[in-house]
Amino acid sequence: DIQMTQSPSSLSASVGDTVTITCRASETIFSYLNWYQKKPGRAPKLLIYGAVNLQSGVPARFSGSGSGTDFSLTINNLQPEDYATYYCQQTDSTPLTFGGGTKVEIK
Amino acid sequence: QVQVAQSGPEVKNPGASVRVSCTTSGYTFNSFNINWVRQAPGQGLEWMGWISTYNHNTKYPQKFQGRVTMTTQASISTAYLELRNLRTDDTAVYYCTRDRSYYGSVTKNAFEVWGPGTVVTVSS
Repeated sequence: DIQMTQSPSSLSASVGDTVTITCRASETIFSYLNWYQKKPGRAPKLLIYGAVNLQSGVPARFSGSGSGTDFSLTINNLQPEDYATYYCQQTDSTPLTFGGGTKVEIK
Repeated sequence: QVQVAQSGPEVKNPGASVRVSCTTSGYTFNSFNINWVRQAPGQGLEWMGWISTYNHNTKYPQKFQGRVTMTTQASISTAYLELRNLRTDDTAVYYCTRDRSYYGSVTKNAFEVWGPGTVVTVSS
């Protein structure tokens, strides 16, 4: 199984900050990497697919980069509604696996 | 617009079975495949498997092999998850989610549309 390792597991940031979350795969997954936002009591929301493609309706302050084994999610100009937990997911091979999550908290 | 509804909360005893339903609308059901994902309290997201809505092929992680069955009923645009021999660590919120790409495979896709989740509690 492909292991997905996210870092950090949590971070504190202020409104307006730029935040970067990293995700490392245990073997190459090419660009089959998705990012989701999860808020308590709500379903996950797809933000980025194929490592770099912004899902329709998602603000442009979210961006993704990377390929192979190393990926990142960047949030520019952090907004109050961005406080949530973020998960990466590989879909290169089964079982599909998620990272452990990164909780973005208010500083 | 595309909508996904799920069945209500369930409370089960250990060893019992549970069936969760996922009813979709706003698109052609057979054109997009369905995955199930769960989140246990305080834990991360866990993929439980995939079903093709047009040929009923399934793919389950080894962890759930023999305990899970995914089915669909296209006439009512509904997918089902059955989990048997429940344990207390199966307590979780169960989500159905639709693939982003139509007629896609189990891999190389993304989970675009999500149901609201169904709380399943396993307790004696």
